[in-house]
Amino acid sequence: DQQVKQNSPSLSVQEGRISILNCDYTNSMFDYFLWYKKYPAEGPTFLISISSIKDKNEDGRFTVFLNKSAKHLSLHIVPSQPGDSAVYFCAARGGISSGSARQLTFGSGTQLTVLP
Amino acid sequence: GEEVAQTPKHLVRGEGQKAKLYCAPIKGHSYVFWYQQVLKNEFKFLISFQNENVFDETGMPKERFSAKCLPNSPCSLEIQATKLEDSAVYFCASSQRGRVGANVLTFGAGSRLTVL
Repeated sequence: DQQVKQNSPSLSVQEGRISILNCDYTNSMFDYFLWYKKYPAEGPTFLISISSIKDKNEDGRFTVFLNKSAKHLSLHIVPSQPGDSAVYFCAARGGISSGSARQLTFGSGTQLTVLP
Repeated sequence: GEEVAQTPKHLVRGEGQKAKLYCAPIKGHSYVFWYQQVLKNEFKFLISFQNENVFDETGMPKERFSAKCLPNSPCSLEIQATKLEDSAVYFCASSQRGRVGANVLTFGAGSRLTVL
């Protein structure tokens, strides 16, 4: 049972425009959500996170929005740059009461291609 | 060090042979995680450690997989009698102790295991 889903395997965006990556989850016990970026032959690198008690977190060109009622989050990148081309993974962390508070559950990733 | 170091980068084994992967977490990080990524898809959680103690091993196929984190040594993930379906990239990650904040996992570059 996939608890974190990224339904779009790929997304292409023109340089300078907004990229919107989406993620859905099923487990209401998740207390933090994170986005990781991954280049080929490298490990994922942390991008931005949001607590389940917030609905928005912004860091430079990156903004994450959380809609708890819809169990949906999205990552906005604006303006998009060619160097942003990578696979983006959504991840979620179980809450303290879940028993496995430390691990992250990942989605299957979205390949973002920013066209020059 | 300031990065998670994984060795070897690539390991090739014949079916039925043993495979052993190593991970040196970031100094000062108390938690170590192992994930398996098959065919560039989602990351499957295998096991986590809090210092040298197993914290969560719910993802481990216990018949053939084992892992250790001993003091003053790299952590290790060992697969006895490898099977074709064990072919994957194995990522190690570490994080600081403490329950405050997102507790970001920092990943290594991964070890690619190919079972022939």
